[in-house]
Amino acid sequence: AQSVTQLGSHVSVSEGALVLLRCNYSSSVPPYLFWYVQYPNQGLQLLLKYTSAATLVKGINGFEAEFKKSETSFHLTKPSAHMSDAAEYFCAVSEGDTGRRALTFGSGTRLQVQP
Amino acid sequence: EAGVAQSPRYKIIEKRQSVAFWCNPISGHATLYWYQQILGQGPKLLIQFQNNGVVDDSQLPKDRFSAERLKGVDSTLKIQPAKLEDSAVYLCASSRDRGRLSEAFFGQGTRLTVV
Repeated sequence: AQSVTQLGSHVSVSEGALVLLRCNYSSSVPPYLFWYVQYPNQGLQLLLKYTSAATLVKGINGFEAEFKKSETSFHLTKPSAHMSDAAEYFCAVSEGDTGRRALTFGSGTRLQVQP
Repeated sequence: EAGVAQSPRYKIIEKRQSVAFWCNPISGHATLYWYQQILGQGPKLLIQFQNNGVVDDSQLPKDRFSAERLKGVDSTLKIQPAKLEDSAVYLCASSRDRGRLSEAFFGQGTRLTVV
C-alpha cells in the first residue's frame, strides 16, 4: 500500500530564505511522486512530479525536489522564498501498476513567509 | 483550455438532509476523481471513474454517498443523509487517461458545511 508522511504541518520562513518542505513515502513498487500547491479557496495545482527519470526534478515557480530512494524521501526546496509562496503544499504518491492511478496525499504543510 | 468546473462553490445544509455536487471535467479527459478534503487534512479519494465505469470506490461510504458519471463526461456526487462529519471540501479532478504520466487537474472544490 502507498502512503505519504509530511513532517511539519506548519513551516515559517523569512522572505528570501531557503524553503524546505519534507516528504517521506512508502510504496511497494517504484513510485511516482508529486508536489501540489493549494492557495486559499482554490483547487490543487501541480508543482512538479518524479516519474523515474532524473532524480532532481525542477518545477514551476522556482521549486525543485530530489528523489532519494535510500531515504524514501522527496523533499521540496526553493532557494529564496517569496511572499507569493505562502500556501498549503501537499506531497502525493501514485503506484498505479494495478491500473489504479489515483493519488494518495499527505496531510499537507502550510508555508508562511514573513516579510 | 477550460479547467475542471464544479458547482456549487459553497453549500450549507442541516444534518440528515441530502446534497448533490456537480463536476464537469476537462474536455477529452477519460478519468475523473472525487476527493474529500477535511479541514487540516490532505485530500482523500472517494471514487475514481474511467469513462463511465467505476475503477475504485473502496473508500466511498456507500451507505450514504453515491456517484455517477453518465455518458462518461459530467459527474454528480450525492450525500444522503448528511452527517456533521461530512463537512469538508469536495474536489473533483480529471486526467486524460489512467497512465501514471497523465497529470490530474483539480477544480476549485465545493465547500460543504453540515450544521
